[in-house]
Amino acid sequence: GAVVSQHPSRVICKSGTSVKIECRSLDFQATTMFWYRQFPKQSLMLMATSNEGSKATYEQGVEKDKFLINHASLTLSTLTVTSAHPEDSSFYICSAGTGSSYNSPLHFGNGTRLTVT
Amino acid sequence: DAKTTQPPSMDCAEGRAANLPCNHSTISGNEYVYWYRQIHSQGPQYIIHGLKNNETNEMASLIITEDRKSSTLILPHATLRDTAVYYCIVRVEAYSGAGSYQLTFGKGTKLSVIP
Repeated sequence: GAVVSQHPSRVICKSGTSVKIECRSLDFQATTMFWYRQFPKQSLMLMATSNEGSKATYEQGVEKDKFLINHASLTLSTLTVTSAHPEDSSFYICSAGTGSSYNSPLHFGNGTRLTVT
Repeated sequence: DAKTTQPPSMDCAEGRAANLPCNHSTISGNEYVYWYRQIHSQGPQYIIHGLKNNETNEMASLIITEDRKSSTLILPHATLRDTAVYYCIVRVEAYSGAGSYQLTFGKGTKLSVIP
């Protein structure tokens, strides 16, 4: 089945540094990928929609200059958390669709646990 | 977006069928019902989806009422590994309009399978 790979699975960084998270579709091309964030005991919240070759679309309340998204190819999207602060500590999850039909399911990566100290 | 309502938690005995309900009374005619689950500290896993007809795959069955206002996910023989949060989602179009789409997650149902 379709596989979405995220890297790294866990990262610890110091406050003020930047962290890059990669999301790859391993066996299919994804023109659109989605980035979600999940705080403890809460549901997934959509942060942004990543479009190959164009600017990402951010959800209300998500700072585009803080969460930089690059979707440079049909199999790779990256999320960079810039100048990270402890409140950015969260579980970040990407997803991608396998095709262009309306009812194709989205598949998710296994997430990246970010801890900012 | 059509909203879904699910019970916050359910228990099921190991080996028995787990029936997880979902209400989506405002669903529109071309919206599909999707089910995903999330095991602790992992990404969501796709289970099944449907429009009008009942669906079955190797993981589960999906029963959608005739008026489409509610559905039930059935895990026929629950195991301990089925303990997870189960999300019922009605699909919307994403901004790109390219056929891909976003999923809006509610709080889901925390299913605990008990030995």
